[in-house]
Amino acid sequence: EVQLVQSGAEVKKPGESLKISCKGSGYKFINYWIAWVRQMPGKGLEWMGIIYPGDSDATYSPSFQGQVTISADKSISTAYLQWSSLKASDTAMYYCARRGDSPYYVLEVWGQGTTVTVSS
Amino acid sequence: EIVLTQSPGTLSLSPGERATLSCRASQTVSSSFLAWYQQKPGQAPRLLIYGASSRATGIPDRFSGSGSGTDFTLTISRLEPEDFAVYYCQQYGSSPLRYTFGQGTKLEIK
Repeated sequence: EVQLVQSGAEVKKPGESLKISCKGSGYKFINYWIAWVRQMPGKGLEWMGIIYPGDSDATYSPSFQGQVTISADKSISTAYLQWSSLKASDTAMYYCARRGDSPYYVLEVWGQGTTVTVSS
Repeated sequence: EIVLTQSPGTLSLSPGERATLSCRASQTVSSSFLAWYQQKPGQAPRLLIYGASSRATGIPDRFSGSGSGTDFTLTISRLEPEDFAVYYCQQYGSSPLRYTFGQGTKLEIK
């Protein structure tokens, strides 16, 4: 069974750093792009960026460029989303999702989500 | 940048009724790159429709997608209690690579 399992909920203070993870299983991890999607409380879905674990090629939404870093460790089938200095406005649910094959490129498998709360 | 506008924002219907959800793009979108997702409270989104009209694995046939160009529709033929959720349309762009979501339609029980 194809699965993405994300790391657990985080509570952080403004200015702190954070790295959350998304572990793939049941498929060849290096062959599929992994996207990150933000959902702020009570709001819709926002695409943040995407990475190809095979070579760590990453593309960011202009809205998130410079605000987060997306990375991957193919040796342990895990993608990451990290912040160097969190803000209260980073409080949200974060999902990872696997991109499907050509020609549709849909986000076909989703992780369960990681809640990030940033509060002083 | 393509903007997806979904309507209505909220749709109030009863089980057994037909639901019609709209997604309008600010520019022409390839049908191959238009998808619909369902999200229930406390859950991750789930892929329903890809390529504008193809159902994802395990999706009941009461769900159907249609449309082309700038106007796309998700139809639920006869609402079941488990269908009340938020629905998002999404477009994939290849150059530059990006995903765009609509703001969502909340389907609620009347």
